[in-house]
Order: sequence, then C-alpha cells, then structure tokens
Amino acid sequence: ILNVEQSPQSLHVQEGDSTNFTCSFPSSNFYALHWYRWETAKSPEALFVMTLNGDEKKKGQISATLNTKEGYSYLYIKGSQPEDSATYLCAFHDTDKLIFGTGTRLQVFP
Amino acid sequence: KAGVTQTPRYLIKTRGQQVTLSCSPISGHRSVSWYQQTPGQGLQFLFEYFSETQRNKGNFPGRFSGRQFSNSRSEMNVSTLELGDSALYLCASSFRTGYPWEQYFGPGTRLTVT
Repeated sequence: ILNVEQSPQSLHVQEGDSTNFTCSFPSSNFYALHWYRWETAKSPEALFVMTLNGDEKKKGQISATLNTKEGYSYLYIKGSQPEDSATYLCAFHDTDKLIFGTGTRLQVFP
Repeated sequence: KAGVTQTPRYLIKTRGQQVTLSCSPISGHRSVSWYQQTPGQGLQFLFEYFSETQRNKGNFPGRFSGRQFSNSRSEMNVSTLELGDSALYLCASSFRTGYPWEQYFGPGTRLTVT
C-alpha cells in the first residue's frame, strides 16, 4: 500500500512569516506529484503538478520543489497572509489514481 | 466555464438506508473520480469512471458503487448505510489527455448517517 505523508499536521504563523511543509512519497515508480490548496467550505484547488526531479514551481508567493530520488516535496509560502489559511494537500500520482496525504492545516493570524 | 457541481451539498440519512450522490463534471471532461474524506483521513479514492466505464476502484466494500452517463455525469450509490459512512464525498473531473492529468474538484456532499 502506497503511503503519502505530510508534515507538520498543522501550523499557526503570524502574518508576514514564511513557512514550509513537507510531503513524503514513495521514491520508486514516480509519475507526478500534485499540490492542492483547500480552503474551508470550498473545493480543493490545484496549485502545482510536478513531474521532474529537481522541478521548482512558483505561483505568486507560493513555491514548491521536488526530489523524486529521495521521495519528498517542499511547499514554501513567503510572507504568509491571512488569506493563505487553508489545508495544503499533496497527492502522489500512482499510475492512474491520486493518493493523497492527510494535509497540512495552515492558520495565518493577522 | 462552469466548475464541477455536486448535489446535494448536505444529506442526512439513517443507518440501513441507501443514498445516491450526483456529480456533473466540467464540460468536455470525460473522467470522474470519487473520493471519501473522514476526520483524520486523507482523501480516499473510491473509483474512477471514464467514458461510462469504471477504470479503477479503491479499497471500499461493494456497498459503494457508481456509474457514469453518456453526458459524463456520474452518480455514486451507497447501500445499507453504516455510521462510518458519514463523510465528505468529493468528485473530481479531468479531461484525461496527456499525462499527468489535472483533476478539478467539486465542493463535495456532506453525508451524515444517524
């Protein structure tokens, strides 16, 4: 059974702080890794799809890196804002389905 | 372009009953996947339908079933409901061309079994 783990489980930061989370996944048979942002009462929203070892992707103040050899991805948020409060999910693309981690719940206080 | 819609948004059922949830994908998308989320668990994959055929199934009992219609709309059915079926059920659609494909999620149906 493939396992995708995310840490930390939750994070509370002050507005303006930078933060990062980790997603660990199986390093063999890698296809892709997805990051989603899920705000309360909304639909999960795709942030990044990462496919190549060493990939770095950026969207505004959010960026992600990928290391497929060691099986991890980092998500960084620079200068967190209250509107960044959400659960951040990663999903390992296993052949023909996504296997999700349990997410990192980020709370940014003004 | 309209997003993925799910109906109903909230549902309360009694143990032993059955329930049907509906998902309308983004126009042009032919794949619909279903996920279950319970407290403390990540999204658990239920099944995927593509062009009216089930392509893949997660590790759930046979009480969970689904189907897809020719317009790509999908339904998920749970028979003989148990308390543990209380969860948020999300569907996601994708066009499924190229690889890897992106999935677009609906807002979910919150099912409560009493």
